[in-house]
Amino acid sequence: GENVEQHPSTLSVQEGDSAVIKCTYSDSASNYFPWYKQELGKGPQLIIDIRSNVGEKKDQRIAVTLNKTAKHFSLHITETQPEDSAVYFCAASMEYGNKLVFGAGTILRVKS
Amino acid sequence: NAGVTQTPKFQVLKTGQSMTLQCAQDMNHEYMSWYRQDPGMGLRLIHYSVGAGITDQGEVPNGYNVSRSTTEDFPLRLLSAAPSQTSVYFCASSLDRGPETQYFGPGTRLLVL
Repeated sequence: GENVEQHPSTLSVQEGDSAVIKCTYSDSASNYFPWYKQELGKGPQLIIDIRSNVGEKKDQRIAVTLNKTAKHFSLHITETQPEDSAVYFCAASMEYGNKLVFGAGTILRVKS
Repeated sequence: NAGVTQTPKFQVLKTGQSMTLQCAQDMNHEYMSWYRQDPGMGLRLIHYSVGAGITDQGEVPNGYNVSRSTTEDFPLRLLSAAPSQTSVYFCASSLDRGPETQYFGPGTRLLVL
């Protein structure tokens, strides 16, 4: 089955700097890759997703890149703000698949 | 819309007790799922449903049962609670028959003594 690895497990950045979180997946049939943000005491919230026919997708300060050949995808947050501090999860699933497999998560701390 | 709601927020059980975690959504979503979240392990899929009357197993289904008699509700039953089931449980739903664009509930924190 699919296996998703996520790095780093913790990341500290200064306010205004960029943050990058990387994930690798094992199943070449996977083609849907979402990113979730989880704040303390809350459920995960979808922040951006990408499908295998797209190499990069942006939404304001957030971008996701996908390299299907290398089977890895990354989340980029620019101009980080204290409210970006949270746990971020990547995930992967197959097209028309029914199961989403999550990475272990990255704790992002933005220092002001 | 209330979105995805879960009850209770917190529960303490003794080993061997049974209980049902409730999940409901008012968005007419087809797909619903249950995950457990443990430190350092991300979220793991327990069971899922692609529509009323249809359920299937995820990665970690042992010790849990589900049913989907209506589109709105997807309860998770612990048959005989074990300390290994201490976790935070999240229910999620999405419009189509797959896990894309899932909305998560606020979670149920379960402690099994």
